[in-house]
Amino acid sequence: DAMVIQNPRYQVTQFGKPVTLSCSQTLNHNVMYWYQQKSSQAPKLLFHYYDKDFNNEADTPDNFQSRRPNTSFCFLDIRSPGLGDAAMYLCATSRSGEHGYTFGSGTRLTVV
Amino acid sequence: EDQVTQSPEALRLQEGESSSLNCSYTVSGLRGLFWYRQDPGKGPEFLFTLYSAGEEKEKERLKATLTKKESFLHITAPKPEDSATYLCAVQAYGNKLVFGAGTILRVKS
Repeated sequence: DAMVIQNPRYQVTQFGKPVTLSCSQTLNHNVMYWYQQKSSQAPKLLFHYYDKDFNNEADTPDNFQSRRPNTSFCFLDIRSPGLGDAAMYLCATSRSGEHGYTFGSGTRLTVV
Repeated sequence: EDQVTQSPEALRLQEGESSSLNCSYTVSGLRGLFWYRQDPGKGPEFLFTLYSAGEEKEKERLKATLTKKESFLHITAPKPEDSATYLCAVQAYGNKLVFGAGTILRVKS
């Protein structure tokens, strides 16, 4: 089945230690998104790639970066995680932004 | 600024007790309104897309409706397996989805 896969499902990192979350997709969708979702809150868009074009949300902290080496993969890098970055990170894909998104199962990040 | 407000924040129902969830929105140029179901510790799962006022979509015990200012997700005779968080999102020009905080639904047998 075509899908969006996020690894790992759970990630524990130390305060200030860089961490990378990964997302892969077999849907051949050209747009990939990263959302941050804290407990009982709405998912918040961090950035997205439309093909190779990177689009950063205005209020996304500089501590967050992303890479998309090819159509299938996208990475979220957190350079110096703080306690406030603990959250569920959701990767999603769409075909040119149309007809909604397909989400992965998410990565739960804990910062200790 | 595009905004989505969902109510209630949490809803407890007895099995078989029908009810509705509300999603009110403010958006410039609605391209679509989406309902997702999210189980604990998982990513959102797509349920419905609505594009224009008056449109309705149904799936099993769920029915989504849309007006110019809000959408309702009606749940008929719910079962415990319908327990989840239901997220509403709007898509405006620019294609980004803006989500509400969700309604946590608990159905007791």
